[in-house]
Amino acid sequence: KQEVTQIPAALSVPEGENLVLNCSFTDSAIYNLQWFRQDPGKGLTSLLLIQSSQREQTSGRLNASLDKSSGRSTLYIAASQPGDSATYLCAVRSSNTGKLIFGQGTTLQVKP
Amino acid sequence: DAMVIQNPRYQVTQFGKPVTLSCSQTLNHNVMYWYQQKSSQAPKLLFHYYDKDFNNEADTPDNFQSRRPNTSFCFLDIRSPGLGDAAMYLCATSRDDSGGLNTQYFGPGTRLTVL
Repeated sequence: KQEVTQIPAALSVPEGENLVLNCSFTDSAIYNLQWFRQDPGKGLTSLLLIQSSQREQTSGRLNASLDKSSGRSTLYIAASQPGDSATYLCAVRSSNTGKLIFGQGTTLQVKP
Repeated sequence: DAMVIQNPRYQVTQFGKPVTLSCSQTLNHNVMYWYQQKSSQAPKLLFHYYDKDFNNEADTPDNFQSRRPNTSFCFLDIRSPGLGDAAMYLCATSRDDSGGLNTQYFGPGTRLTVL
């Protein structure tokens, strides 16, 4: 059974810092891995999607990497801003079931 | 511009009183999903529709049902809400692909409170 874990559960950093969020998964049989952002009380916004054949994807200040063999992904946020404060969820799409399996998220607070 | 719309955004119901949550999409995607997300937890898939075919997750309580009258709309019916059903309910859509290339698009969610 695929399990997705995100560490840390919460993170607080001063504005301007570069930071890394971690995601690990137990089964490498995946189609892709996706990072989402969730603001309090809101839905999910897709940030980056990495196909299983890819190593990384970039969008603006965000860079996501994928190491399928070791079951790990990282989300790198450069020059963090208070507006980056949110919960970041990692999800893998299982190639066995086609379903999206989520981690519990990392809640990020960027202090001005 | 809204692609996946959920109504209402906030729903309050009483213990045991049936409630229906609504999802609509303008993307013409053939797959629609309902997820339940409790506070500080990961979203959990309840069921999904592949076109008109309904696919229930094994651990989804019988209290939860769904209807998809057409491509654009999907409803989540909670027959007898309990306090434990208070959660954010997320609707998502995708265009089916066998290669797993397509992403799911999520709506803003409906936060359900059970009194």
